[in-house]
Amino acid sequence: QKEVEQNSGPLSVPEGAIASLNCTYSDRGSQSFFWYRQYSGKSPELIMSIYSNGDKEDGRFTAQLNKASQYVSLLIRDSQPSDSATYLCAVSPRSGAGSYQLTFGKGTKLSVIP
Amino acid sequence: ETGVTQSPTHLIKTRGQQVTLRCSSQSGHNTVSWYQQALGQGPQFIFQYYREEENGRGNFPPRFSGLQFPNYSSELNVNALELDDSALYLCASSSSMNTEAFFGQGTRLTVV
Repeated sequence: QKEVEQNSGPLSVPEGAIASLNCTYSDRGSQSFFWYRQYSGKSPELIMSIYSNGDKEDGRFTAQLNKASQYVSLLIRDSQPSDSATYLCAVSPRSGAGSYQLTFGKGTKLSVIP
Repeated sequence: ETGVTQSPTHLIKTRGQQVTLRCSSQSGHNTVSWYQQALGQGPQFIFQYYREEENGRGNFPPRFSGLQFPNYSSELNVNALELDDSALYLCASSSSMNTEAFFGQGTRLTVV
């Protein structure tokens, strides 16, 4: 059974701080890794994808991947109240982007306090 | 707005009934995936359609079935509804199997 584990939170950080979200996965054959943001009552929105070991930065977001440790993380710098949402980690057995057979974690609820 | 439209947005059905959910993919998108998200859980992969053919299936029983039409819109059918089928059903479309997928707003199904 392929599993993706996340700390359910809630994770509370003050405005302007760095939020650190973590995820581990069980399937060593996983090729693609994604972070989605989901506001309450809304559908998931892709914010970061990463395919190789190391860091990938996009604006205030940095995704980190360590395949040997089966670990993915997301850092959000200068956190804003609008970042308050549930963050879902997802992995795919296929390389590249796409929605094929994504296995999602349960999500970490982030609350940014003004 | 992602250009992916699902209907209806909310639905209440009785246990044992059948339901059809619809997804209109973004223009130019030929790949549609369906996911089930129970309350407090992450989405679970049901199946994917690529150019009208099923292209992979998750761990769901055969009473979950689907179709993709020539215009690449899609339907999810669930027979013999159970209480545990109550969930948010999400459809995601992409221009190919290896490009970013965009989720629709979802259909909230309640089985009573």
